Amino acid sequence: DSGVTQTPKHLITATGQRVTLRCSPRSGDLSVYWYQQSLDQGLQFLIHYYNGEERAKGNILERFSAQQFPDLHSELNLSSLELGDSALYFCASSRGPGANVLTFGAGSRLTVL
Amino acid sequence: AQKVTQAQTEISVVEKEDVTLDCVYETRDTTYYLFWYKQPPSGELVFLIRRNSFDEQNEISGRYSWNFQKSTSSFNFTITASQVVDSAVYFCALSTDRGSTLGRLYFGRGTQLTVWP
Repeated sequence: DSGVTQTPKHLITATGQRVTLRCSPRSGDLSVYWYQQSLDQGLQFLIHYYNGEERAKGNILERFSAQQFPDLHSELNLSSLELGDSALYFCASSRGPGANVLTFGAGSRLTVL
Repeated sequence: AQKVTQAQTEISVVEKEDVTLDCVYETRDTTYYLFWYKQPPSGELVFLIRRNSFDEQNEISGRYSWNFQKSTSSFNFTITASQVVDSAVYFCALSTDRGSTLGRLYFGRGTQLTVWP
């Protein structure tokens, strides 16, 4: 158990729907990162939050949004889902905003039918 | 721009063989960090090692060893006497201290290692 908790583990939904993925970072970690892993794109950075503030955005679609709450948990919202959004979504956490070691959760596997 | 290349898509070996996974990186930053992560069939990403750009000393941890060479921008990973449990996808990653991307990991495409009994 890495200490980073992601829910749900698996999610099956239909095109056009909206889903929310949740992440609880390791105790004491202030940074949360979201990554998408797909066969064609590999591991792609989506967004980084540090202590409630957005720090960096990567290849995140406009249909996707995220936030980090005061208790430091984070949610990734995916809307108007398309078949191509099917992927494994990872959350990772670290102590600070810098180049610390990222500890990854087990991932949320999203299947869009 | 930061880039990590893992040219080996798949490697198959027989148990007890040594295997080296290659990683080549590109960055213009003088301060950077290199990582290896393991993704077993269960899917989670497991941290293996982090090295910073100022420390070229090679490292050994049990059957694992890492060779960092700035001259060739490489950070290769060797597993000695491989075991079936080593079968996984291995990712090399790069991070820098550049403000806009602080802490972000740039991953290679990964190398699928299969160790046969």
